[in-house]
Amino acid sequence: DGGITQSPKYLFRKEGQNVTLSCEQNLNHDAMYWYRQDPGQGLRLIYYSQIVNDFQKGDIAEGYSVSREKKESFPLTVTSAQKNPTAFYLCASSIGREVGEAFFGQGTRLTVV
Amino acid sequence: AQSVTQLGSHVSVSEGALVLLRCNYSSSVPPYLFWYVQYPNQGLQLLLKYTSAATLVKGINGFEAEFKKSETSFHLTKPSAHMSDAAEYFCAVSESGTSYGKLTFGQGTILTVHP
Repeated sequence: DGGITQSPKYLFRKEGQNVTLSCEQNLNHDAMYWYRQDPGQGLRLIYYSQIVNDFQKGDIAEGYSVSREKKESFPLTVTSAQKNPTAFYLCASSIGREVGEAFFGQGTRLTVV
Repeated sequence: AQSVTQLGSHVSVSEGALVLLRCNYSSSVPPYLFWYVQYPNQGLQLLLKYTSAATLVKGINGFEAEFKKSETSFHLTKPSAHMSDAAEYFCAVSESGTSYGKLTFGQGTILTVHP
């Protein structure tokens, strides 16, 4: 079955550590996205990529980094510079520019301990 | 800049009653509008979308929404609520000419359905 796989589902991080969240899709979609969800705030865009080897900052990119070396993969690194990283992180993909809705993964819940 | 406002962070209805979840948007260009549903600790599932075709859009699970340009609204309705409709609902907008996945979301509305 085609879809988006995020791993791990739950992640615990000590303060000062970097962590990487995985996102893989087998939908052959060109575009991929990372959103952060906090209670009562909806979802906010962190980074997005419309093509391999290219990505753009979203609304809240500070303290995060991404790479897009393969079409199927769009990992997100939460760095120690992110002041409040505890949140639910959602990865999404869409076919491409102006075509098709976004499909979402099941999310990764990151907790700083 | 675009924005989305969902009126009411919590809505409670009885099973069988009408569901009405409100969404207003602002956008400087013709928008694409979406409603997503999220169950606890899950990702988002698309309910329906408006992409400048018919203004009354029908989606999955009996939901529908009407795009009203004069009111800048895209309210979600369902004639008869079911217990399984209890979830959080998000309205989202993207600008025409950009990727469908580059979305601005509302704050979400939690729907509770009472027996």
